[in-house]
Amino acid sequence: DVKVTQSSRYLVKRTGEKVFLECVQDMDHENMFWYRQDPGLGLRLIYFSYDVKMKEKGDIPEGYSVSREKKERFSLILESASTNQTSMYLCASSLGFRINYTFGSGTRLTVV
Amino acid sequence: TQLLEQSPQFLSIQEGENLTVYCNSSSVFSSLQWYRQEPGEGPVLLVTVVTGGEVKKLKRLTFQFGDARKDSSLHITAAQPGDTGLYLCAGVGAGGTSYGKLTFGQGTILTVHP
Repeated sequence: DVKVTQSSRYLVKRTGEKVFLECVQDMDHENMFWYRQDPGLGLRLIYFSYDVKMKEKGDIPEGYSVSREKKERFSLILESASTNQTSMYLCASSLGFRINYTFGSGTRLTVV
Repeated sequence: TQLLEQSPQFLSIQEGENLTVYCNSSSVFSSLQWYRQEPGEGPVLLVTVVTGGEVKKLKRLTFQFGDARKDSSLHITAAQPGDTGLYLCAGVGAGGTSYGKLTFGQGTILTVHP
């Protein structure tokens, strides 16, 4: 089974800090995604990548950036954390756009 | 941006009852997926429906894709406490800037009481 691992389950950061969320997948998937999940809003796509060093903006990219230096690793960066970025962040990967997505367990980020 | 409206947002029922969750959109999707999410975990894929009018069954769960591929439903027969969780529908974009991207509904929190 594909495994998507997010480095932290819980994070607490201060406003203005630079925050790195890491995601690693072990099945050689081309596509990787970052979502945030908020009650009543479902999952919203922040950024995605379909190849190493490639990245595309999702629906809510403001305040975020990403890095994909290796195929298995996709990092989400909060340049200057703000309280409205408090959320559950989910990473996912897939072999192709029509194929099943596998999600990590999520990182619950609190910005104080 | 494609939108997927999921309803109801909350569902609280007794064990043994039947229920249906709906996902509706004005956009056409190439396929539609249903996920279940437990607290503290990521969503887990239950099923993918691809063809308009397709019906898939997973034990007591029945999934249907609308003929026009714009809507879907999840029906659970004789719900059990183990069915409790967050259910999410997600449409796979069919073209343009939405091609291949997942659009999620808001989710349905299901609670089944013993």
